[in-house]
Amino acid sequence: AQKITQTQPGMFVQEKEAVTLDCTYDTSDQSYGLFWYKQPSSGEMIFLIYQGSYDEQNATEGRYSLNFQKARKSANLVISASQLGDSAMYFCAMRPGYSSASKIIFGSGTRLSIRP
Amino acid sequence: GAVVSQHPSRVICKSGTSVKIECRSLDFQATTMFWYRQFPKQSLMLMATSNEGSKATYEQGVEKDKFLINHASLTLSTLTVTSAHPEDSSFYICSAPGPAHNYGYTFGSGTRLTVV
Repeated sequence: AQKITQTQPGMFVQEKEAVTLDCTYDTSDQSYGLFWYKQPSSGEMIFLIYQGSYDEQNATEGRYSLNFQKARKSANLVISASQLGDSAMYFCAMRPGYSSASKIIFGSGTRLSIRP
Repeated sequence: GAVVSQHPSRVICKSGTSVKIECRSLDFQATTMFWYRQFPKQSLMLMATSNEGSKATYEQGVEKDKFLINHASLTLSTLTVTSAHPEDSSFYICSAPGPAHNYGYTFGSGTRLTVV
């Protein structure tokens, strides 16, 4: 069965500190894609970072990096130097298979709150 | 960049009426559109997948007659909530595969439906 698990319903972090949001996944596919999205209170889904299952290097996008541990089936998001604007819901998602036309499934999300 | 325009952003309707939500890809062709529903403080749950020129595929437990999906062209997909009831109040968001530079998925901005 395809599944994404996020075990942290909510997190509080001091501004400027780094934060790690956990994500584990389950799939029998050899080829798959992993995503992180940010959802502010407006509801829009903001793409943050992508990791392909065959990518050997961990993905990085500015202050975001993805700690991909394939054997453990984990894809944790690391946000460095957190900012007040980082307060939002964060969703880990997986696209089983290779095709970009495949549906993606989401984890339950983590609500991140940044303290000034 | 790629844009999926979703309208309306907010709608309030009376119980028993129908509501149509449109998702239009503005600068790319979307042969497939994914429709998600999100209840407050919950994750995105896939409702159905629409494909241009063929019938939509519904996820288990989603009523086909209640949530009518039509993919009229390569740039337009619509979701009609028929005979809406208060329990249908939710956030509905669409997503289209493509273009590739966005790692495969472009989301609409979402529709907040309130049924009174």
